[in-house]
Amino acid sequence: AQSVTQPDIHITVSEGASLELRCNYSYGATPYLFWYVQSPGQGLQLLLKYFSGDTLVQGIKGFEAEFKRSQSSFNLRKPSVHWSDAAEYFCAVGVTSYDKVIFGPGTSLSVIP
Amino acid sequence: DGGITQSPKYLFRKEGQNVTLSCEQNLNHDAMYWYRQDPGQGLRLIYYSQIVNDFQKGDIAEGYSVSREKKESFPLTVTSAQKNPTAFYLCASGQGAGDWGKLFFGSGTQLSVL
Repeated sequence: AQSVTQPDIHITVSEGASLELRCNYSYGATPYLFWYVQSPGQGLQLLLKYFSGDTLVQGIKGFEAEFKRSQSSFNLRKPSVHWSDAAEYFCAVGVTSYDKVIFGPGTSLSVIP
Repeated sequence: DGGITQSPKYLFRKEGQNVTLSCEQNLNHDAMYWYRQDPGQGLRLIYYSQIVNDFQKGDIAEGYSVSREKKESFPLTVTSAQKNPTAFYLCASGQGAGDWGKLFFGSGTQLSVL
């Protein structure tokens, strides 16, 4: 069965520090992968997606993610975190054969001054 | 403005009662989804629909029912068979092949049991 794991339940980083959020997936075929962010008052929003091609994808708000097939991973990165990045981050995998999107449990990010 | 509207924002259910959560979209999207969000469990898929008059069960469909009579509307009924209905419910839509997997979410409904 398809699944997504996010090993870190909660991460705290200092403003200006770099960030990496981990995501691992289980899927038999070439995956469609996504990162979504849930901010208070703004709902859920797509940050970036990977379908094929270049394994390093750029998203909104300065985020990027790298697809590594050998590790079944799709980690999210940002070189310098801003206080406004504090939110819940969800990794997701698209199951095209069933036309559905499966989400991971999420990682809560806190940013300290 | 185009978007997804969920109502009500807060809903309370009494024992043995069925309640219906509304979801309307004016984005002209074919696909619509219902997710349940519980702390620490992420978003779990309840039901989804790719076309009018057709829908499929997600991973946690037991105790829920849906209908898709119109493209714009995808209401979710939480039946009395759902023994633990307290959660945050999110509706989403997607435009399918053109931008597959990019979902647009509503602002959610918080359901609580009295």
